[in-house]
Amino acid sequence: AQSVTQLDSQVPVFEEAPVELRCNYSSSVSVYLFWYVQYPNQGLQLLLKYLSGSTLVESINGFEAEFNKSQTSFHLRKPSVHISDTAEYFCAVKRGGSYIPTFGRGTSLIVHP
Amino acid sequence: GAGVSQSPRYKVAKRGQDVALRCDPISGHVSLFWYQQALGQGPEFLTYFQNEAQLDKSGLPSDRFFAERPEGSVSTLKIQRTQQEDSAVYLCASSLPGQASSYNSPLHFGNGTRLTVT
Repeated sequence: AQSVTQLDSQVPVFEEAPVELRCNYSSSVSVYLFWYVQYPNQGLQLLLKYLSGSTLVESINGFEAEFNKSQTSFHLRKPSVHISDTAEYFCAVKRGGSYIPTFGRGTSLIVHP
Repeated sequence: GAGVSQSPRYKVAKRGQDVALRCDPISGHVSLFWYQQALGQGPEFLTYFQNEAQLDKSGLPSDRFFAERPEGSVSTLKIQRTQQEDSAVYLCASSLPGQASSYNSPLHFGNGTRLTVT
């Protein structure tokens, strides 16, 4: 079975500082990778996804994630965070041939003014 | 509606009671998923429907949990004889594709139902 590890349960950071949220997954022949964000009192929503092609994927609000096959990682980064980025971030992996994504435990990003 | 709707938003049940949680997926979405999210944890898979067919129920923790989607749209997750360990947020998600070639499709989540068993 696929497993997803988000080592950091909480990441505090000051506004305008860079941030990296880490995600590692157990190896598989082919995977599809996702980051979801959950703002307070809201449902999870897709932030970005890696399907194939370029290993660097970007979201519309400045986040990016890089697929690293050799390290089985899909870390999420943002060069300058905003207060409004405060939320829970979940990494998810779908093994090729499966309908069902497996989620990590989540990382709480807390942006301080 | 515009998104996935779940009701009730909050549910408090006494241990031993039965509960029913409802999910209205986005209109036309073929695939429907139920997840359980315990406090401080990520969503854990419970069951998956493609239209009215329950294709995977491997995540249901016990035979007290039952899910149905009789007409391929609205789904209900029922928990019988609730226990304290059932306390969690139950998430429903849907996605449009139901084809094997669409494994990369993202999920659209509802806001969840927070179940508290006292």
